[in-house]
Amino acid sequence: GAVVSQHPSRVICKSGTSVKIECRSLDFQATTMFWYRQFPKQSLMLMATSNEGSKATYEQGVEKDKFLINHASLTLSTLTVTSAHPEDSSFYICSALGGSPNEQFFGPGTRLTVL
Amino acid sequence: TQLLEQSPQFLSIQEGENLTVYCNSSSVFSSLQWYRQEPGEGPVLLVTVVTGGEVKKLKRLTFQFGDARKDSSLHITAAQPGDTGLYLCAGAGNTGKLIFGQGTTLQVKP
Repeated sequence: GAVVSQHPSRVICKSGTSVKIECRSLDFQATTMFWYRQFPKQSLMLMATSNEGSKATYEQGVEKDKFLINHASLTLSTLTVTSAHPEDSSFYICSALGGSPNEQFFGPGTRLTVL
Repeated sequence: TQLLEQSPQFLSIQEGENLTVYCNSSSVFSSLQWYRQEPGEGPVLLVTVVTGGEVKKLKRLTFQFGDARKDSSLHITAAQPGDTGLYLCAGAGNTGKLIFGQGTTLQVKP
């Protein structure tokens, strides 16, 4: 099956710094990737849709200047949390749209802790 | 706005018991997926149902898609501690995005 990786798996940073999270589709090309945020024991909340070669589409209430998304190639999307604050601490998960309609393959997630 | 209501949100049962998780919506979905997620990991796809009335079985797990493609259920027979985890249903929305239910945290006690 299709594999999606995320790096790093865990990151701890100081308040005010920026953190970049990478999402890669390892064995297929993905023109569309999605970024989700998840709080403990809760469901996934879609943050934005990342489209290769164009601007990301953000969900209502998600600050595009705080959560910068870049989809520079067909296998890589990055999410940069700028000027991170403790309330940004969360589990961030990406997914890549596969060949079949509506089929998404999920990465293993990145645990962000902002001190 | 398409919404998926998933219930129950928390379930704690003894090993060997049966359980059913429900996902309901007033909207029609072109397909519906069920995922299982363990702490600190990404969701893993269990099954995709596409046709109204479709039933799929995965060992002790039975998935059903409603005739009108607005609801789905997951039934686990003789639950085992290894079934413990967060179960998520997700419907394929009309925008290409996945609409997730609230999730069901299942704990199976030995």
